[in-house]
Amino acid sequence: QQPVQSPQAVILREGEDAVINCSSSKALYSVHWYRQKHGEAPVFLMILLKGGEQKGHDKISASFNEKKQQSSLYLTASQLSYSGTYFCGTEKQGAQKLVFGQGTRLTINP
Amino acid sequence: EAGVVQSPRYKIIEKKQPVAFWCNPISGHNTLYWYLQNLGQGPELLIRYENEEAVDDSQLPKDRFSAERLKGVDSTLKIQPAELGDSAVYLCASSPIYRDTLSFGPGTRLTVL
Repeated sequence: QQPVQSPQAVILREGEDAVINCSSSKALYSVHWYRQKHGEAPVFLMILLKGGEQKGHDKISASFNEKKQQSSLYLTASQLSYSGTYFCGTEKQGAQKLVFGQGTRLTINP
Repeated sequence: EAGVVQSPRYKIIEKKQPVAFWCNPISGHNTLYWYLQNLGQGPELLIRYENEEAVDDSQLPKDRFSAERLKGVDSTLKIQPAELGDSAVYLCASSPIYRDTLSFGPGTRLTVL
């Protein structure tokens, strides 16, 4: 079952913060985050595992709330290079299949 | 490290014609995936290989789609015959092992007229 991402699209000015959410109705084992720029391949950002710690690098971090089956991606002081479509991929416990959400389009303006 | 290589990058065919896509994964990556991505949507898994074995092909429309991964390295995805609804980007990805990070190729954009 496909995870639900919100918002579907967001427009920010450079330097502003953004939060992208990913929700599932099933108990999750892991959540993956990828970014895809127009016409390019998706690029890995991070994986969050059940029972694991919040991950992050540079000004992009993410959390995984196991009770709510929800993950959030945080982009702090956004840069122009952050523009693109962000996908979360979720793996249900015992499913051995990664299912991607419909994506969140992020536009950063100068 | 060379990335995942796919060819062709673009393909335009008429409906009912056959088409094939080729993928060369990152060296040493045992797991290979074929995904379908429609415009404005997330990637959808078609098939996953562990070495040369197809371990998950439940989403592959087997009446017209076929795939192979000979010798556990390169892989080919075929559609025969193609339909208008097959127009999409076909992404190949690989990972060292299952549940590791995915490295995606640039994709093949298929247009069926």
